[in-house]
Amino acid sequence: DVKVTQSSRYLVKRTGEKVFLECVQDMDHENMFWYRQDPGLGLRLIYFSYDVKMKEKGDIPEGYSVSREKKERFSLILESASTNQTSMYLCASSLWGVLHFGNGTRLTVT
Amino acid sequence: DQQVKQNSPSLSVQEGRISILNCDYTNSMFDYFLWYKKYPAEGPTFLISISSIKDKNEDGRFTVFLNKSAKHLSLHIVPSQPGDSAVYFCAARLIIQGAQKLVFGQGTRLTINP
Repeated sequence: DVKVTQSSRYLVKRTGEKVFLECVQDMDHENMFWYRQDPGLGLRLIYFSYDVKMKEKGDIPEGYSVSREKKERFSLILESASTNQTSMYLCASSLWGVLHFGNGTRLTVT
Repeated sequence: DQQVKQNSPSLSVQEGRISILNCDYTNSMFDYFLWYKKYPAEGPTFLISISSIKDKNEDGRFTVFLNKSAKHLSLHIVPSQPGDSAVYFCAARLIIQGAQKLVFGQGTRLTINP
């Protein structure tokens, strides 16, 4: 069974702080993804990676960056958190086809 | 530019009846479609999928229909059960330079009433 683990379930940060969201998968998957979920907007892709050290912008990359130094770990970085980045963040991994999601990190920026 | 749309934010169905969730898309390059189910405080879990070369896929109580000419897919759940109450997302896959990208709809909240 695929396991995708996000390091924090809930986070509260202040405006301007640098925020790291960590995600680890245990299935040796090539592809990893970061989405955010907002009411009425569904899941929107922020960044994805199809190999170590490779990254591609998704649909809403502004204000975010990512790091993939090891195959199993994909980090999302908010360089300077803003209130409009308050959201549910979901990490996923896949070999091909089906994405397997973690349980999400609910981030509140005050 | 919403390439995948779920126009019904919510749906309420009686237990035992059929639930029909709809999804429309605009990009004819999508080659694979998936439905996910999400409970509160959990990540989405995969439910069922269909390739663009098929028009129907069935798995137990769940059936997905694809109408390529209308760019429309639907998920049928029959009979509906209380445990089916959740938010359902449809998703469509795009292959870009050998990498896959899933585009999700806005979600439909399904409530099954006893």
